Amino acid sequence: GIQVEQSPPDLILQEGANSTLRCNFSDSVNNLQWFHQNPWGQLINLFYIPSGTKQNGRLSATTVATERYSLLYISSSQTTDSGVYFCAVGNDYKLSFGAGTTVTVRA
Amino acid sequence: SQTIHQWPATLVQPVGSPLSLECTVEGTSNPNLYWYRQAAGRGLQLLFYSVGIGQISSEVPQNLSASRPQDRQFILSSKKLLLSDSGFYLCAWSYNYNEQFFGPGTRLTVL
Repeated sequence: GIQVEQSPPDLILQEGANSTLRCNFSDSVNNLQWFHQNPWGQLINLFYIPSGTKQNGRLSATTVATERYSLLYISSSQTTDSGVYFCAVGNDYKLSFGAGTTVTVRA
Repeated sequence: SQTIHQWPATLVQPVGSPLSLECTVEGTSNPNLYWYRQAAGRGLQLLFYSVGIGQISSEVPQNLSASRPQDRQFILSSKKLLLSDSGFYLCAWSYNYNEQFFGPGTRLTVL
C-alpha cells in the first residue's frame, strides 16, 4: 500500500506563530485530504486537495502531486488549533492515513 | 446538507460478547460507506467499504464483519469480541470516490 509520512510528529507553538506541516507519500494518488482531529475524536475536514493550492481563513494547503508531497500552513495560530492533524492519501475508495502531527498551541 | 450519525458513542463490553455498531447517513443517496478503526495514538486503518446495498469489501482479515441492509445504513458486527478489538471506530461516507466525511465515532473498550 501507499506509505504516508507526516512531519514533524509533534509541534509546540506560541499563540500567533505560523507553522508548516508536511505530508510525503510513496505513490501517485487521486485523493488527498487534510483533517484536524479535535479532543473528542471528531475528524474535521480541512482540505480536499489532490493537487494545487487552497486557502480557508488562516489555513492553506499546497499539494505537488508530481513530487508526492503536500504542505499544510497554519498562520497566526490560536489555542483552538491544537489537536492532531492527519494527512490521508489514496486512489478510488482507499485512504491511507499518516501517523499525524500533534500540534499544541500555548497562550 | 449531509449528516452522518454513529451510535453508541461509547461502549464497554466483556471479551467474548457480541458487537453491533451502527452508522447512518442523511441527506444523500447511494453513498460509498466506510468503517475505519483508530488505535490509541495512531492513524486510521480502513476495515470495510461498501458501494451499495449488500456489497461489502474487507480490507483487513479480522474478527469483525460489516453489513449494509439499507442504502444509508452501515453496521459493524462481531460474534465474539477480543481484547484487541478495543479502539475508536469511525464511519465515513463519500459521493463516488471523492472526499470522505467522517462521523463522530464510537469508543469501544473490551475488558
